[in-house]
Amino acid sequence: SQKIEQNSEALNIQEGKTATLTCNYTNYSPAYLQWYRQDPGRGPVFLLLIRENEKEKRKERLKVTFDTTLKQSLFHITASQPADSATYLCALGDEAGKSTFGDGTTLTVKP
Amino acid sequence: EAQVTQNPRYLITVTGKKLTVTCSQNMNHEYMSWYRQDPGLGLRQIYYSMNVEVTDKGDVPEGYKVSRKEKRNFPLILESPSPNQTSLYFCASSLGTGEQPQHFGDGTRLSIL
Repeated sequence: SQKIEQNSEALNIQEGKTATLTCNYTNYSPAYLQWYRQDPGRGPVFLLLIRENEKEKRKERLKVTFDTTLKQSLFHITASQPADSATYLCALGDEAGKSTFGDGTTLTVKP
Repeated sequence: EAQVTQNPRYLITVTGKKLTVTCSQNMNHEYMSWYRQDPGLGLRQIYYSMNVEVTDKGDVPEGYKVSRKEKRNFPLILESPSPNQTSLYFCASSLGTGEQPQHFGDGTRLSIL
């Protein structure tokens, strides 16, 4: 069955550093991959989408890469801030409507 | 304001007592979906609907029912709730499937005693 693994449950970094989160998948050939942010007590919020034919996507301080050979996506937050502290989820979906989410990585940015 | 609204936000109930969690979206979205989120298991899809009167099972549909009689509403029904359905539930909607980002409600925390 399709499976998504995110690198670790928790990631702690110092303010100003770059946070790198990993999303690996198996038994899947996605046409795209999405990243969401989830704050405590709230639903996930969409951040970025990257398609299989795109190597890299950027949005302000966010950067996503997608390597379909390695079956991996990397999510970077540059110049991290305490306000970036949250849980980040990656998600794969198909045209039939099914969605699969990773467990999420909880990022804490310390001042 | 564009939003997905779930009710109730919190519910404590007992085994076997039927309950319904409502979900409504005001964005005229075609696609709606229900997830449950459990520690260590992440977000798992329960059911989804690609349009009115069209529903399909996700990864964990057992013990749940849904209906999509109107575009804006997608209620989740637990006919005979059991303690293993204690969880945090999210409803989501999007313009369509594929690349369309999903918009999530703020969740419903269910406790089944």
